[in-house]
Amino acid sequence: GAVVSQHPSRVICKSGTSVKIECRSLDFQATTMFWYRQFPKKSLMLMATSNEGSKATYEQGVEKDKFLINHASLTLSTLTVTSAHPEDSSFYICSAIGDRDHGYTFGSGTRLTVV
Amino acid sequence: AQSVAQPEDQVNVAEGNPLTVKCTYSVSGNPYLFWYVQYPNRGLQFLLKYITGDNLVKGSYGFEAEFNKSQTSFHLKKPSALVSDSALYFCAVRYLNTDKLIFGTGTRLQVFP
Repeated sequence: GAVVSQHPSRVICKSGTSVKIECRSLDFQATTMFWYRQFPKKSLMLMATSNEGSKATYEQGVEKDKFLINHASLTLSTLTVTSAHPEDSSFYICSAIGDRDHGYTFGSGTRLTVV
Repeated sequence: AQSVAQPEDQVNVAEGNPLTVKCTYSVSGNPYLFWYVQYPNRGLQFLLKYITGDNLVKGSYGFEAEFNKSQTSFHLKKPSALVSDSALYFCAVRYLNTDKLIFGTGTRLQVFP
């Protein structure tokens, strides 16, 4: 089946630094990927839709300059959290459309802790 | 607007008993509904979906869900719960004519030995 690889699984960074999270579709081409943020004991909040070769579409309330998304190829989308602050600490999950059976495959998530 | 609601934060069930995790939806047009499961510090795993066809949808790991149009529900069920089924379950709906998924708030299922 379709596999989406997300790295790193965990990252700790200092306030003010930037962190890049990668999301790769391993055995299929993903023209569209999605980035979610999950707060403790809360649902997934869609942050943005990443489209290969074009600018990402951000959901209302998500800071474009803080959460930079790049989808430079059909198999890779990246989320860069710029000038990270402790309140950016969260679990970030990507997903891609590819598998025809159910359409959406999710990465294993990245636990970001900003100290 | 498209949305799903999961009215229960947590469901507790004894191993071997049937389980139900509730989901209701509000959509314009025909709904595309999904159930996903999440284990701690992991991404989401697909369980099943409803797009069209039979109202009873069978999915992975022995789970099934019944699409009920009159009650606008899509409850997840399993005849006999396992301790290993303990996880966070999400109902989701595809948003209008986009590919975006909108998730419910999640229900934590706890299966006791």
